[in-house]
Amino acid sequence: DADVTQTPRNRITKTGKRIMLECSQTKGHDRMYWYRQDPGLGLRLIYYSFDVKDINKGEISDGYSVSRQAQAKFSLSLESAIPNQTALYFCATSGRIQETQYFGPGTRLLVL
Amino acid sequence: GENVEQHPSTLSVQEGDSAVIKCTYSDSASNYFPWYKQELGKRPQLIIDIRSNVGEKKDQRIAVTLNKTAKHFSLHITETQPEDSAVYFCAAAETGAGSYQLTFGKGTKLSVIP
Repeated sequence: DADVTQTPRNRITKTGKRIMLECSQTKGHDRMYWYRQDPGLGLRLIYYSFDVKDINKGEISDGYSVSRQAQAKFSLSLESAIPNQTALYFCATSGRIQETQYFGPGTRLLVL
Repeated sequence: GENVEQHPSTLSVQEGDSAVIKCTYSDSASNYFPWYKQELGKRPQLIIDIRSNVGEKKDQRIAVTLNKTAKHFSLHITETQPEDSAVYFCAAAETGAGSYQLTFGKGTKLSVIP
């Protein structure tokens, strides 16, 4: 689904570095989400945004921050990366009425 | 907050057999229950969903049932095929005016043996 894109697709960084993951969508959706996926733990919500001026913490927001630069763009930052933030990160979007969430291709992050 | 338990964590079936994955949820206010399929190396994609005003929903070989009283819902796949092999996630949410957030189960890895 090319309507939701994520950059970079893969990233290796070192402990203590700041890193930003970016998500863009052309679906015209108002709502955007960041999830983290770890083996055996499913998908856990980090942050979500229901419009440009609305940002909410999810289940596991500690160590992360987000920025909603525009309706189509939602970025996730790790201010000071640590090894246990090594995971697969997904961005998702949904419309105002239809609850279906559409996921991006994911960013695989390795923190050394 | 909502808590979703999913069982089994792994499931192997012979091609042509049926597969059943079960989930329970804790928040009685939840009213939306989607199922996502994630093939190896791919993104999760919605395969079917059900709302609390419906007890069962079917789409070709897949069906979902919901028991609101017991707070559990299940995914049924009939006549399984090798391409059904994937990780399946259930989720629950309370939707309505304002906001909603999905709480996912931990996933079931389904293997269909040819």
